[in-house]
Amino acid sequence: EAEVAQSPRYKITEKSQAVAFWCDPISGHATLYWYRQILGQGPELLVQFQDESVVDDSQLPKDRFSAERLKGVDSTLKIQPAELGDSAMYLCASSRSGGGGSYNEQFFGPGTRLTVL
Amino acid sequence: GDSVTQMEGPVTLSEEAFLTINCTYTATGYPSLFWYVQYPGEGLQLLLKATKADDKGSNKGFEATYRKETTSFHLEKGSVQVSDSAVYFCALSAGTYKYIFGTGTRLKVLA
Repeated sequence: EAEVAQSPRYKITEKSQAVAFWCDPISGHATLYWYRQILGQGPELLVQFQDESVVDDSQLPKDRFSAERLKGVDSTLKIQPAELGDSAMYLCASSRSGGGGSYNEQFFGPGTRLTVL
Repeated sequence: GDSVTQMEGPVTLSEEAFLTINCTYTATGYPSLFWYVQYPGEGLQLLLKATKADDKGSNKGFEATYRKETTSFHLEKGSVQVSDSAVYFCALSAGTYKYIFGTGTRLKVLA
């Protein structure tokens, strides 16, 4: 069964360092999402891609976070510099399309747990 | 704006007990509703969904009915198992791509 792949699974870094997370969506899924999940809370959308284009990055802290999906397949989320408050689980999800209905059912990867010291 | 409210946890039950996790929502239009489950250290897995009023989603013994009149989508299971211990998230998608998640309810089932 196809799955969303993420790496690394765990990352420990010191504040002010740069970190990067990678996501490979399910083959054929045009839409890719990055979420941040703070401990004890639900996921919150950071950025959504439709193919290689950003559709929504309204909740992405653009002073330190960046995301790209250059060829419309895999994606990288970067934080530079990392801050203590960035400690969270970063989840990637994909769907066949970004529209409504069953075609936007989102499939989640296992996540990257980031700890900033 | 759109929102999802879940009952706070943790919920602790004995094996074979009946489970209810309450979820209510606020949304414009006619959202699709979802329950996701998250096991320790893992991502979210879709448990069940309903796309219109009065639909009942079901999977692995869990079920939830989309109640438009009460704006609710409560999760139920007749007999829980230890393996059901996890965090459960209610979510909605109101006609667009965006999912709005509740804060999650932790379930602990004791043998």
